[in-house]
Amino acid sequence: IAGITQAPTSQILAAGRRMTLRCTQDMRHNAMYWYRQDLGLGLRLIHYSNTAGTTGKGEVPDGYSVSRANTDDFPLTLASAVPSQTSVYFCASSDRWGSDTQYFGPGTRLTVL
Amino acid sequence: KQEVTQIPAALSVPEGENLVLNCSFTDSAIYNLQWFRQDPGKGLTSLLLIQSSQREQTSGRLNASLDKSSGRSTLYIAASQPGDSATYLCAVRPLPVNDYKLSFGAGTTVTVRA
Repeated sequence: IAGITQAPTSQILAAGRRMTLRCTQDMRHNAMYWYRQDLGLGLRLIHYSNTAGTTGKGEVPDGYSVSRANTDDFPLTLASAVPSQTSVYFCASSDRWGSDTQYFGPGTRLTVL
Repeated sequence: KQEVTQIPAALSVPEGENLVLNCSFTDSAIYNLQWFRQDPGKGLTSLLLIQSSQREQTSGRLNASLDKSSGRSTLYIAASQPGDSATYLCAVRPLPVNDYKLSFGAGTTVTVRA
């Protein structure tokens, strides 16, 4: 593989269920990001990690958690999904924190009913 | 809080026409501004990045201008082609330079008719 992969591609989930969105990059990038994209709102940063072992909160972190156990993986977990978390989720990475070049994954379309 | 607006939300033009896409932002204290392209069902790809000290940036048929004092950027695409059909988003990076949290516009969806 090359670049960033996300799984699943799409998912329909019942409210209250737990869900983990997976993100893997093979570029050995230090920084990784999770965004959500909603119609009419653009992308909003949920959480980020500037290096393995560290994470930070973005603009809309409530209801989401992340971990960064290694360089390649950056999963996003919804502990108890709610309908307002229906969105398209994008993972991105950059070689270092502060780099202006981010590489985006293809996205996960999540519907919470 | 930085607000980034892109108007119009959608645009349809015949092939060959020049495209003009607008981006406005409320806080002029920016480090740079970036234009992205998003194809349906795909992630974002960076097109052009303009530093706050620059007035414009060019790549092939694409030209982006920046007027920081008035909070505006424009992306020009010359001689549009059907392959230019996509959503175009702008994003600003704020100051201070170590605050790397981009503010995105909602995008303009462009359709180029053959």
